[in-house]
Amino acid sequence: GENVEQHPSTLSVQEGDSAVIKCTYSDSASNYFPWYKQELGKRPQLIIDIRSNVGEKKDQRIAVTLNKTAKHFSLHITETQPEDSAVYFCAANAGNEKLTFGTGTRLTIIP
Amino acid sequence: NAGVTQTPKFQVLKTGQSMTLQCAQDMNHEYMSWYRQDPGMGLRLIHYSVGAGITDQGEVPNGYNVSRSTTEDFPLRLLSAAPSQTSVYFCASSYSGEPGWEAFFGQGTRLTVV
Repeated sequence: GENVEQHPSTLSVQEGDSAVIKCTYSDSASNYFPWYKQELGKRPQLIIDIRSNVGEKKDQRIAVTLNKTAKHFSLHITETQPEDSAVYFCAANAGNEKLTFGTGTRLTIIP
Repeated sequence: NAGVTQTPKFQVLKTGQSMTLQCAQDMNHEYMSWYRQDPGMGLRLIHYSVGAGITDQGEVPNGYNVSRSTTEDFPLRLLSAAPSQTSVYFCASSYSGEPGWEAFFGQGTRLTVV
């Protein structure tokens, strides 16, 4: 089955700086890669996603890049703000209905 | 529009007890799933359903049963609770199981087995 590895597990960034979270996947059949944000005590919520036929996607301060050859994808957050503090999960869908999640990155924005 | 609703929010069980975690969605989604969230392990798929009457196992199905008699409801049953099942459980639904459809999560159930 699909295996998704996520790094780093924790990340602290000064407010205003950029944050990058990286994920690798194992199944070359994976074709959909969403990112979820989970604030403390809340449910995970989708923040951005990318399909395998696209190399990069942006939504305001958030961007995701995908390298199909290397089987890795990354989340980029620019101009970080205190409300960006949360746990972020990457996921991959191995061409079927199952989503496999990474182990999460706890992002802390330092004021 | 309530989205995905889970009950209860908190539960404490004794080892060996059984219980059912409820999940209901009002978005007419075909695909529903159950995950457990443990520290450092992300979200792991327990069981999922691609439509009423159809269920299948995920990554960690042992100790759990599911059924899908209606489109709206997808209960998760613990037959004989064990301390290893202490976790936060999330139900999720999406319009389709096809890649690219957003998964909407319930608010979670925090289960402690003593």
